[in-house]
Amino acid sequence: SQQGEEDPQALSIQEGENATMNCSYKTSINNLQWYRQNSGRGLVHLILIRSNEREKHSGRLRVTLDTSKKSSSLLITASRAADTASYFCATARTLTGTASKLTFGTGTRLQVTL
Amino acid sequence: DSGVTQTPKHLITATGQRVTLRCSPRSGDLSVYWYQQSLDQGLQFLIQYYNGEERAKGNILERFSAQQFPDLHSELNLSSLELGDSALYFCASSALTAIGGYTFGSGTRLTVV
Repeated sequence: SQQGEEDPQALSIQEGENATMNCSYKTSINNLQWYRQNSGRGLVHLILIRSNEREKHSGRLRVTLDTSKKSSSLLITASRAADTASYFCATARTLTGTASKLTFGTGTRLQVTL
Repeated sequence: DSGVTQTPKHLITATGQRVTLRCSPRSGDLSVYWYQQSLDQGLQFLIQYYNGEERAKGNILERFSAQQFPDLHSELNLSSLELGDSALYFCASSALTAIGGYTFGSGTRLTVV
């Protein structure tokens, strides 16, 4: 079952604009991660934010986390055509010891046009 | 190249058959995870192995099984295949648990005809 719901399902913007994707989840987490997937390819880890953090930056990426609302957002600034991909949030829970589970949301398809 | 190697990249097989998907984790990673991605179900966690032992189970069917060998490579066995098993199967690895990010392989696209 999906842990996260992402919003919007699809987003189309022009190069240079900012893209914001939102993710909501249901259970407690250790951290929340964002991944990118180009069509039919493997997922690439973008950024991780721990449950005790509220905001994190990495290059043109900014992630926020609100554990009280069980929600996160990913902002991509100054988007480029190469950012065209599907973006997934994933919630991480350590179950016991070395057992862990990373549960993915439904994804947002981002299209950046020239 | 992510460091996680999956073979084969594509597989076409008939219903009722059995296939084995193989994964070599990134060097030094002890945990291996298997995921299934389909259009209707999205990315579903199947199973996790850590240093040769099963650690967590997700939505894995009884017709599916996996194992991790002493050299840490893993195999996912899918049997009595049905049309609905057609999907992308991803393997990912991590150093310990989900404390850090996962490194994904490029996947095996399975088509059941």
